[in-house]
Amino acid sequence: GAVVSQHPSWVICKSGTSVKIECRSLDFQATTMFWYRQFPKQSLMLMATSNEGSKATYEQGVEKDKFLINHASLTLSTLTVTSAHPEDSSFYICSLPTPGWGAFFGQGTRLTVV
Amino acid sequence: AQKITQTQPGMFVQEKEAVTLDCTYDTSDPSYGLFWYKQPSSGEMIFLIYQGSYDQQNATEGRYSLNFQKARKSANLVISASQLGDSAMYFCAMRERTDRGSTLGRLYFGRGTQLTVWP
Repeated sequence: GAVVSQHPSWVICKSGTSVKIECRSLDFQATTMFWYRQFPKQSLMLMATSNEGSKATYEQGVEKDKFLINHASLTLSTLTVTSAHPEDSSFYICSLPTPGWGAFFGQGTRLTVV
Repeated sequence: AQKITQTQPGMFVQEKEAVTLDCTYDTSDPSYGLFWYKQPSSGEMIFLIYQGSYDQQNATEGRYSLNFQKARKSANLVISASQLGDSAMYFCAMRERTDRGSTLGRLYFGRGTQLTVWP
């Protein structure tokens, strides 16, 4: 079964609205969660690192006020795309690192902003 | 500098043949992990194989093997006996230790190689 459950798997929203994406860790304590974004035919680019109980750290060029990350518990990290615009349309995927060099991914979320 | 370089945007292989997907990496950390993931059109990331920097032998997982050449900083994926279902995007990735020496760091991904298997 899935170690990381990500929802929704796809979402279509209107421009200007906000969308929340959840990643839930089912088997491991998620002290850290990584959020990646992938545009079509491109690689996964790290957006931010979510840390349980503290502020997320964002990669250069990623607007922290636009991509809100909340990691209030050891089982749940959320990414909220605020005031979404068509250029935010992308594939968003979370990743949970585990001791011993392991990593589990959520199923990913395809966001389309119309 | 790029942490992970995949120079083959696309590769074609006939069913039942073997194929090698190239990957080179760049790091100054003596302790690191190398990974290969398969991403079908659904988008899910499917873990294929892992190689630790201190592992003496090349990793193997069923039809997948990793040709690890440490001095050349190369970690090529070999898929033997290709199947039609192997058609997908393949990503090479690396993880280094964090500043605090933890193995829970982020993954660096290459640009990927689109593999097409034809009958």
